[in-house]
Amino acid sequence: EPEVTQTPSHQVTQMGQEVILRCVPISNHLYFYWYRQILGQKVEFLVSFYNNEISEKSEIFDDQFSVERPDGSNFTLKIRSTKLEDSAMYFCASRRLASSYNEQFFGPGTRLTVL
Amino acid sequence: AQSVTQPDIHITVSEGASLELRCNYSYGATPYLFWYVQSPGQGLQLLLKYFSGDTLVQGIKGFEAEFKRSQSSFNLRKPSVHWSDAAEYFCAVGAALTGGGNKLTFGTGTQLKVEL
Repeated sequence: EPEVTQTPSHQVTQMGQEVILRCVPISNHLYFYWYRQILGQKVEFLVSFYNNEISEKSEIFDDQFSVERPDGSNFTLKIRSTKLEDSAMYFCASRRLASSYNEQFFGPGTRLTVL
Repeated sequence: AQSVTQPDIHITVSEGASLELRCNYSYGATPYLFWYVQSPGQGLQLLLKYFSGDTLVQGIKGFEAEFKRSQSSFNLRKPSVHWSDAAEYFCAVGAALTGGGNKLTFGTGTQLKVEL
């Protein structure tokens, strides 16, 4: 069964450093998402991406964040200058555009720790 | 704006007992509703979803949920809980497909503990 994959599973970085979180969505999916979950809190929407552009973003997704689909398979989230409060689990999700349902398939997540 | 409330932060049940996890949503139109489960250190697994039609939906692992428009609720139920059901459960609401990003809005989750 196809699944969303994410690398790395855990990333530790120093405050102020840039990080790139990588996701490989399900191959025939065309809508991509990033969510985050700060420890002990709810899952929050960050951004959705379709046709090589952002379709929607939350207020969390400020200028420090960017997303990219550099090739036909990867979908990345970049944080330019990490802050302590960026420590969270980051989930990638994808959806099949042709689907009449809004079902998103989630990856296992990347735990980001900012020191 | 869409929102989800899960009023129970923690629930403890005995193995074999029945379970009901509450979820209330706020959304201006007909919502798409989901229940996800997250085991420790794992990602989000979809248990079931509601889009239209029969208001009682069946999911994986013996779970079911009932959509009640009059109460703006989508409670998750299981007749007999197994120890392996211990996890965190998230209710989520999504917008209808209108060409937008169709983000999901999650509740704060309910942590389920199962006593043997």
